[in-house]
Amino acid sequence: AQKITQTQPGMFVQEKEAVTLDCTYDTSDPSYGLFWYKQPSSGEMIFLIYQGSYDQQNATEGRYSLNFQKARKSANLVISASQLGDSAMYFCAMREGMAGFKTIFGAGTRLFVKA
Amino acid sequence: NAGVTQTPKFRILKIGQSMTLQCTQDMNHNYMYWYRQDPGMGLKLIYYSVGAGITDKGEVPNGYNVSRSTTEDFPLRLELAAPSQTSVYFCASHTRGGNTGELFFGEGSRLTVL
Repeated sequence: AQKITQTQPGMFVQEKEAVTLDCTYDTSDPSYGLFWYKQPSSGEMIFLIYQGSYDQQNATEGRYSLNFQKARKSANLVISASQLGDSAMYFCAMREGMAGFKTIFGAGTRLFVKA
Repeated sequence: NAGVTQTPKFRILKIGQSMTLQCTQDMNHNYMYWYRQDPGMGLKLIYYSVGAGITDKGEVPNGYNVSRSTTEDFPLRLELAAPSQTSVYFCASHTRGGNTGELFFGEGSRLTVL
């Protein structure tokens, strides 16, 4: 069964520094997709970045990059040059299988960016 | 650009009452989902649908029902509301099958059962 684990309930980072949010996953399916979403205090869910299990390179989207280590089953989100607006909940998610339907989410990490 | 629209945004129910959360999307997405998010927690999948007329249970389906008569609409029915159903409910959709294609979310519906 698929499972997502985020072990950091909360993280602090100084403005302009980089931060890594951890995510490990478990699946027996060789085909899967990994997603990161941001949830600001206003409550909406914002898609950040996607990594496919067969992708050879780590995904990047602006200041977001995904450190994908397939053998370790980890998909950590790296945010470079943190901004105050990055303070939010961050969720790692996975959808498995070539006919994947269900996206499951981790418990989330709350990021606090300090000025 | 409406995307995924949920109504109502807020609702207070008494124990034992029933209600329907409405969800509609205008992106012609086949795949639609209902999640609940308890305070400080991640999202738990309640039900999902892969197309009109096809629905299936997620992780936490007890106390809920769904239907999917059209591609656009995916209402969630709460029967006999209980305090444990106090949560924020999100409807989401995506277009592509397989494991690509991010979820598009509604703004959420905050439900309190007293």
